Amino acid sequence: DQQVKQNSPSLSVQEGRISILNCDYTNSMFDYFLWYKKYPAEGPTFLISISSIKDKNEDGRFTVFLNKSAKHLSLHIVPSQPGDSAVYFCAAREDTGFQKLVFGTGTRLLVSP
Amino acid sequence: KAGVTQTPRYLIKTRGQQVTLSCSPISGHRSVSWYQQTPGQGLQFLFEYFSETQRNKGNFPGRFSGRQFSNSRSEMNVSTLELGDSALYLCASSLTGADYNEQFFGPGTRLTVL
Repeated sequence: DQQVKQNSPSLSVQEGRISILNCDYTNSMFDYFLWYKKYPAEGPTFLISISSIKDKNEDGRFTVFLNKSAKHLSLHIVPSQPGDSAVYFCAAREDTGFQKLVFGTGTRLLVSP
Repeated sequence: KAGVTQTPRYLIKTRGQQVTLSCSPISGHRSVSWYQQTPGQGLQFLFEYFSETQRNKGNFPGRFSGRQFSNSRSEMNVSTLELGDSALYLCASSLTGADYNEQFFGPGTRLTVL
C-alpha cells in the first residue's frame, strides 16, 4: 500500500524553464512533508519542507505547494538548471514525534541545456 | 562538521549469510534511522533508534535488526540473507528525532546478495 505516490517516474525540462514535480498521498495523518534530492552514489539531500498548516513554502528557486483537501503537493523549480538533474523524492511524516519518513518512489528530473 | 558515514560502502554476500552494516551519525545527533532503497519499492523505513532504544519499526521481517551504542553509532544486521535483500541501505541522523528535526542521510551501503 503506497501511501505516498509520485506518478511520474521521469521529467525532462529545458534549462531556464519551470520544473514541476508532483506527489500525492493517502494518509490524512501526515502533517509534515519534505522533498529530497538524490544523486547517484549519494544519500538523499534535504531540499525543502512544508507543514500541513501552510499551503506554500519558498526557498530560493524552490517552492513547495500543499493542497490538503486534494492530498497533493508539488515542487516547483524556477528557473531549472542542469545541476538540478537528479532523482527527487517526496516524503511525509505523521505527527508522532518519531523520525519515520514515508517516501514516494521518486521522479528523475533531467534538465537539458 | 563531518556528515553521516556508513561502512562498508559496498558488500557482496551469498544467500543464507548474515551481514552487519555500520552508521556513524553527525556529531551530537542522537536519533538514527535506517531505510532500504530498492528500484521497485523506493525508500522504505526500517527502524529508528534514539538513546540506544528502538523507537519505531517498519514492516520488515525479524531477520532485520539493529542496535545503537552509547555514542549514538548504530549497526544494522540482516540474518539469513535472501536475494530480495539486495538494496541500498541508508542511514539518517537527526538531532533529537523529535519535532521536525531534519534528517541527514549518509551515502548508503550497497548490498548485493548472490
